[in-house]
Amino acid sequence: KQEVTQIPAALSVPEGENLVLNCSFTDSAIYNLQWFRQDPGKGLTSLLLIQSSQREQTSGRLNASLDKSSGRSTLYIAASQPGDSATYLCAVIPQGGKLIFGQGTELSVKP
Amino acid sequence: EPEVTQTPSHQVTQMGQEVILRCVPISNHLYFYWYRQILGQKVEFLVSFYNNEISEKSEIFDDQFSVERPDGSNFTLKIRSTKLEDSAMYFCASSSDRQGKLFFGSGTQLSVL
Repeated sequence: KQEVTQIPAALSVPEGENLVLNCSFTDSAIYNLQWFRQDPGKGLTSLLLIQSSQREQTSGRLNASLDKSSGRSTLYIAASQPGDSATYLCAVIPQGGKLIFGQGTELSVKP
Repeated sequence: EPEVTQTPSHQVTQMGQEVILRCVPISNHLYFYWYRQILGQKVEFLVSFYNNEISEKSEIFDDQFSVERPDGSNFTLKIRSTKLEDSAMYFCASSSDRQGKLFFGSGTQLSVL
C-alpha cells in the first residue's frame, strides 16, 4: 500500500532563505507526483507536476525534483517570502489516477 | 484561468440529515473526483468518476455516499444520513486525463452537529 510521508511537519525560516521540503513514498510505481499549496481553510493550489519519466520541474522560484527509484521528491523554494507561508502537500498518482497525499509541511516565512 | 467551483463554501447540518455538495468542474475535463480532509489529517480520496460512472472508490465511500453528474456541468456528492465523523472539508477536483494534473476547488466545509 502506497504511503507518502513529508518531513519536516513544520518549518520556520527568515525571509530570503532558500529551503527544501522533502517527500518520500513507499512504492516507486507511480505515474506522476504533484506538489500543492494549501492556505488555511482554503483549497489546494497545484504548484508543479512531475511525470514519472522526468527528473525535475521548475516554475519561478520553485523547483521540484523526483527520484523514483529511491522514492523521494524535494521542493526547493528560492529566496523565500512571507507570502510563501502555507502548508505544502506532496501527492503521488499510482495506477488508477487517484492522488495519495502526504500530511504536509507547514511553512512559516518570517519577515 | 479556468477553475473548479464548489458550493456552498460552508454547510452546517444536523446529524442524520442529507446534504448535497455541488461542484462545477473545468468544462473540458473528463475525470472528476471527491476528496476530503478531516481537520488535522491528510487529504483522503473518496471517489473518482468518468464516463458517467464511478471508476474507483475508497472504503470511506460507503452506501451513505453517492455521486452524480446530473447535467453537462455539475458534479454532486450526496451524503444520505450524515454522521458526526463526516465533518470535514470536502474538495472536488477534475482533470483532462487519467494521470494528468488535478485541479481542485476551494472546498466545502461541512459541519455535522
